[in-house]
Amino acid sequence: DADVTQTPRNRITKTGKRIMLECSQTKGHDRMYWYRQDPGLGLRLIYYSFDVKDINKGEISDGYSVSRQAQAKFSLSLESAIPNQTALYFCATSWTGSEQYFGPGTRLTVT
Amino acid sequence: DQQVKQNSPSLSVQEGRISILNCDYTNSMFDYFLWYKKYPAEGPTFLISISSIKDKNEDGRFTVFLNKSAKHLSLHIVPSQPGDSAVYFCAASVGNNDMRFGAGTRLTVKP
Repeated sequence: DADVTQTPRNRITKTGKRIMLECSQTKGHDRMYWYRQDPGLGLRLIYYSFDVKDINKGEISDGYSVSRQAQAKFSLSLESAIPNQTALYFCATSWTGSEQYFGPGTRLTVT
Repeated sequence: DQQVKQNSPSLSVQEGRISILNCDYTNSMFDYFLWYKKYPAEGPTFLISISSIKDKNEDGRFTVFLNKSAKHLSLHIVPSQPGDSAVYFCAASVGNNDMRFGAGTRLTVKP
């Protein structure tokens, strides 16, 4: 079984819709992260959490929100999706913050 | 403002030869550097890292070199194998927080 899972793996939604991407981990790590990948830009950090009560904005948090429901679960929400949020989204976990373990990604398309 | 840059989008080498992937950064506060490898339809996986107090770190066929004065790091793969064909991301962080990634270099190793 995968240590970091993401659901859904693919999603097509329309502009203005609310959507939630979910991440679960079995590695027992306290730190969890959400990134988006765009062609030519690499991975950019959206939000990160060091524990259930500690949520931090990353490089590109505008238009996104997160919820850390438990040590093992970290969700990313788009309150009102827009086309430029079309991207590949990755969840990651870490023990120390340096070496991170990534999920398989969620491909989101906003039409 | 991309603080970590990988200026070569792609690199092609012959099996058995050396692959050299390059990365430049602008933030002199970065103190930890990593390389990740990504296969299609999978999340990135950690490959090798280096702290700013070192200038070289080696792990089997993979060696990372850090030149702090030039704000440059490189990943050497010797010998290159077809299974090394993937996208390689360089990443950097300050105190294990807010990791910044480069855009990636696609390595193709030809048999």
